[in-house]
Amino acid sequence: NAGVMQNPRHLVRRRGQEARLRCSPMKGHSHVYWYRQLPEEGLKFMVYLQKENIIDESGMPKERFSAEFPKEGPSILRIQQVVRGDSAAYFCASSPAKDNPFEKLFFGSGTQLSVL
Amino acid sequence: SQQGEEDPQALSIQEGENATMNCSYKTSINNLQWYRQNSGRGLVHLILIRSNEREKHSGRLRVTLDTSKKSSSLLITASRAADTASYFCATGGGSNYKLTFGKGTLLTVNP
Repeated sequence: NAGVMQNPRHLVRRRGQEARLRCSPMKGHSHVYWYRQLPEEGLKFMVYLQKENIIDESGMPKERFSAEFPKEGPSILRIQQVVRGDSAAYFCASSPAKDNPFEKLFFGSGTQLSVL
Repeated sequence: SQQGEEDPQALSIQEGENATMNCSYKTSINNLQWYRQNSGRGLVHLILIRSNEREKHSGRLRVTLDTSKKSSSLLITASRAADTASYFCATGGGSNYKLTFGKGTLLTVNP
């Protein structure tokens, strides 16, 4: 049973370009979360999604950022017109639907976004 | 905010010694979790303690929770070099699905 898969591991973009980060949750998991980690900081919640639904995007900047979790395929975190301040590690986590899904998150290895 | 804050920020010990890390938080919680992060990797869930529990064990890990002081501690006994990592506490769970992480404690275990 593969873990949470994120790609790419490293992404370099120039200011103004778009960044697309992908996350495939663990098999059987229907809850996906995106977190951002700045250097020397803890993880900050961005968005919580279930299949085809955004449940809570309160941690996501209002502009340039969007997320989706389609019926088929991975969850995508999209950052348009990236700026240097977007440089960070972006982590995806998933949890199963049964029991209490929020009690244990399974994290991917993250995507390190560098904006030049 | 239910933000957890770990203390100390960094801890360096010798292999075989015990490591204790502390976490404080601000508001009522349903549970508190500890995660480990190896350099450049994602977080790995270590242990969860519920608000009605005071102590929990898992292998070489011992977690305590004092809800009156809004604090928790993580004890790693007989540490190994492989325990070198950053350790984060996270609060939330239950109806609050937005886990809130502290800045972490960087533990270095010297062989």
